[in-house]
Amino acid sequence: YVLTQSPSVSVAPGQTASITCEGNNIGRKSLHWYQQKPGQAPVLVVYDDDDRPSGIPERFSGSNSGNTATLTISRVEAGDEADYYCQVWDYSSDHDVVFGGGTKLTVL
Amino acid sequence: QVQLQASGPGLVKPSQTLSLTCTVSGDSISSGRYYWSWVRQHPGKGLEWIGYIYYSGSTYYNPSLKSRLSISVHTSENQFSLALRSVTAADTAVYYCARVITSTHFFDSWGQGTLVTVSS
Repeated sequence: YVLTQSPSVSVAPGQTASITCEGNNIGRKSLHWYQQKPGQAPVLVVYDDDDRPSGIPERFSGSNSGNTATLTISRVEAGDEADYYCQVWDYSSDHDVVFGGGTKLTVL
Repeated sequence: QVQLQASGPGLVKPSQTLSLTCTVSGDSISSGRYYWSWVRQHPGKGLEWIGYIYYSGSTYYNPSLKSRLSISVHTSENQFSLALRSVTAADTAVYYCARVITSTHFFDSWGQGTLVTVSS
């Protein structure tokens, strides 16, 4: 199973960033998003398509339907600049976990 | 608050075995609520799932690594380990250990990562 992300997205502070993740019938799977800043471990920001872990700002939201999942970051801040990865569990195979290739979010 | 700490040699020679251990604190591996996983990241690249293990010892491996990989659990020490055999320079990466929710398999807590370089 393959997850495809655009390599980069740029947005001005205060605007809304949309980061997409594409996969065959991805809407039928639970989709998770991670934020990774340079030199740091990934951090879960959205799980099960649209839920946020405690401590993650409401500015981070997710959706998942058809062949595309989207991470939306509203009112983008300089501190949101990071790599973002989508991830699914491909239950049709032997418990395979699949990550997307990652999207670099640049705050202009 | 769970914490995961990966440890092991930072330098491994080609053809040898890469061995890492993850020590878990703030949670019990034996609770059965989670899988315990390894993920790696080649320099400047994306995340690659290696595999995970349940407290019972059941394992699930990335098919691309399965032939060289062993993940084991040590419940009495609250640790789990990775052994990757016959390494090459292509196995040079930052290796993360992480906790995985069993229901929908997301990684809710990560260790800080440890860089392993394969070089003679």
